[in-house]
Amino acid sequence: AQKVTQAQTEISVVEKEDVTLDCVYETRDTTYYLFWYKQPPSGELVFLIRRNSFDEQNEISGRYSWNFQKSTSSFNFTITASQVVDSAVYFCALSESNSGYALNFGKGTSLLVTP
Amino acid sequence: SQTIHQWPATLVQPVGSPLSLECTVEGTSNPNLYWYRQAAGRGLQLLFYSVGIGQISSEVPQNLSASRPQDRQFILSSKKLLLSDSGFYLCAWSVSRIAKNIQYFGAGTRLSVL
Repeated sequence: AQKVTQAQTEISVVEKEDVTLDCVYETRDTTYYLFWYKQPPSGELVFLIRRNSFDEQNEISGRYSWNFQKSTSSFNFTITASQVVDSAVYFCALSESNSGYALNFGKGTSLLVTP
Repeated sequence: SQTIHQWPATLVQPVGSPLSLECTVEGTSNPNLYWYRQAAGRGLQLLFYSVGIGQISSEVPQNLSASRPQDRQFILSSKKLLLSDSGFYLCAWSVSRIAKNIQYFGAGTRLSVL
């Protein structure tokens, strides 16, 4: 069963628009970690953020912000004032204690930002 | 600082040929190591992970195998490649302590089996 669901397969926005990428997860662990990674066309996965299950504070880093809500098992990612360089595939991932903390990825959301 | 190296960057192999992909990490000791595959499309699938030398956990049964002959070396192998083995293979590492388990990825190997 898919533990991480990214319902949006592709999103296209015009530069300077705000965009939110959704992520819903499923776990029975009380201690777990959630991640967002960016995969530009070059293919390498770039770490963006990690959040543990005990920390529900939202986080902002520049134009990026993350909204973690345990009540709805969601960890959404918002890019404010999007730029062309934000075009990439974005992955949400879950890490649980029973798999050596390996990452269970969602299927990714492809974001295209056009000028 | 820590770095992770993967090679080769691209590989074209005939069906039935063997495979060896190598991953090494520098600047850290006793890392957790991982092999992922990204097939056509985007999904990333965990293949193997290792928490120490000689310790390999397999997530998906297949004709691939992994080995960790040294602390910072992780090798993905196959005796006979299948067409379905084509994909983008990514190696990753993380520190072994639970408190900080961010995974950092290598640049990947694009494998085409023809």
